[in-house]
Amino acid sequence: QSMLTQPPSVSAAPGQKVTISCSGSGSNIGSSYVSWYQQLPGTAPKLLIYDNYKRPSGIPDRFSGSKSGTSATLGITGLQTEDEADYYCATLDSILRTGVFGGGTKLTVL
Amino acid sequence: QVQLIQSGSELKNPGASVKVSCKASGYSFTAHSINWVRQAPGQGLEWMGWINVNTGTPTYAQGFIGRFVFSLDTSVSTAYLQISGLKAEDTAVYYCTRDRNDIEFDYWGQGTLVTVSS
Repeated sequence: QSMLTQPPSVSAAPGQKVTISCSGSGSNIGSSYVSWYQQLPGTAPKLLIYDNYKRPSGIPDRFSGSKSGTSATLGITGLQTEDEADYYCATLDSILRTGVFGGGTKLTVL
Repeated sequence: QVQLIQSGSELKNPGASVKVSCKASGYSFTAHSINWVRQAPGQGLEWMGWINVNTGTPTYAQGFIGRFVFSLDTSVSTAYLQISGLKAEDTAVYYCTRDRNDIEFDYWGQGTLVTVSS
């Protein structure tokens, strides 16, 4: 059981918006940056968001990140069928000095 | 361009050992730590630990102390993961990743499937 809690699944229609939550604690999300990853079926994860809200070069602005207290949120607007993937949040636990991933959220674009 | 290229899939008997390599290119190898992530079949991502590429000092997550060893050969910009005493539950895809800053992984290897079965 991960220290970061994500909903197992979310779904929305093409063109719509979806948010994925990631809930932690003061020792992880509350005191460290959060990053988000997209994993398409059969591929390695890809960095979508770092430093809570920043996007690497090449990531469209349909993807956004935010953090408030001990929770973080990934937002995806203008959903496309190719956004169907598993999404993971991650952060550093500042007390244990270990990395931690959320359990992952499967996005279905109906 | 930055690349992390991992060695190919492995099929091992229980009790055997395996060594997975991760060759980095396109950046200064000593500028970023290498982390390892495990993904069991149908499961999520699990952080295994990291290795300081300047000092060679490894740090292991709680469930990866004992049979798992991270190492380096900086002369060829390569990191290694060795697993000894393999068990069926070690069957997974193992990823190496480049850490840009405290658990923010900007580049990933393609993954190495290790299958443990008799």
